[in-house]
Amino acid sequence: TQLLEQSPQFLSIQEGENLTVYCNSSSVFSSLQWYRQEPGEGPVLLVTVVTGGEVKKLKRLTFQFGDARKDSSLHITAAQPGDTGLYLCAALIQGAQKLVFGQGTRLTINP
Amino acid sequence: DAGVTQSPTHLIKTRGQHVTLRCSPISGHKSVSWYQQVLGQGPQFIFQYYEKEERGRGNFPDRFSARQFPNYSSELNVNALLLGDSALYLCASSLEQGRVLRAFFGQGTRLTVV
Repeated sequence: TQLLEQSPQFLSIQEGENLTVYCNSSSVFSSLQWYRQEPGEGPVLLVTVVTGGEVKKLKRLTFQFGDARKDSSLHITAAQPGDTGLYLCAALIQGAQKLVFGQGTRLTINP
Repeated sequence: DAGVTQSPTHLIKTRGQHVTLRCSPISGHKSVSWYQQVLGQGPQFIFQYYEKEERGRGNFPDRFSARQFPNYSSELNVNALLLGDSALYLCASSLEQGRVLRAFFGQGTRLTVV
């Protein structure tokens, strides 16, 4: 059983469309992070959300942390082929000093 | 500035062999973590080291071990390799800023066990 469930696992859309991916859990977290990983590379941190209800924007990407701090979403507006990649959400498990990742959403944006 | 560097980038080993993977953290980072990423999955935590001491261990068998050196570089060792150990092994160095972890990942070592 995954601590963090991401959906959808795969998403293929046309350039210019909007999309949302989700990261859900039954546990409460002090923060959640979103990473993007390209083939042959390690994950790169996009954002950290800390406060329940928090919304952060990174150009065309909007990240939201749920009010109860159990879930998060990533919304991309007017997707571009350069957005293609594996999007991972992760939670820091305090005390254990480890990041727990979801299984990822593989996003493909077609020209 | 150099990021996290890992070596080698690719490796092919035979079942039963052992392997050593290396990681150099970002200058000034004292914490190094190792993750295993099987194809199609998110990374799974293996170990964390801070100031040469193990601070965290994931649910991996004793065949997996690691250490951190005085210069904060780290090695991950895997003995008696199994086919299922084939994966991308990621190293991350990090700074902890309060309750937020800022982790920087290397490009990984792709291990194939045949």
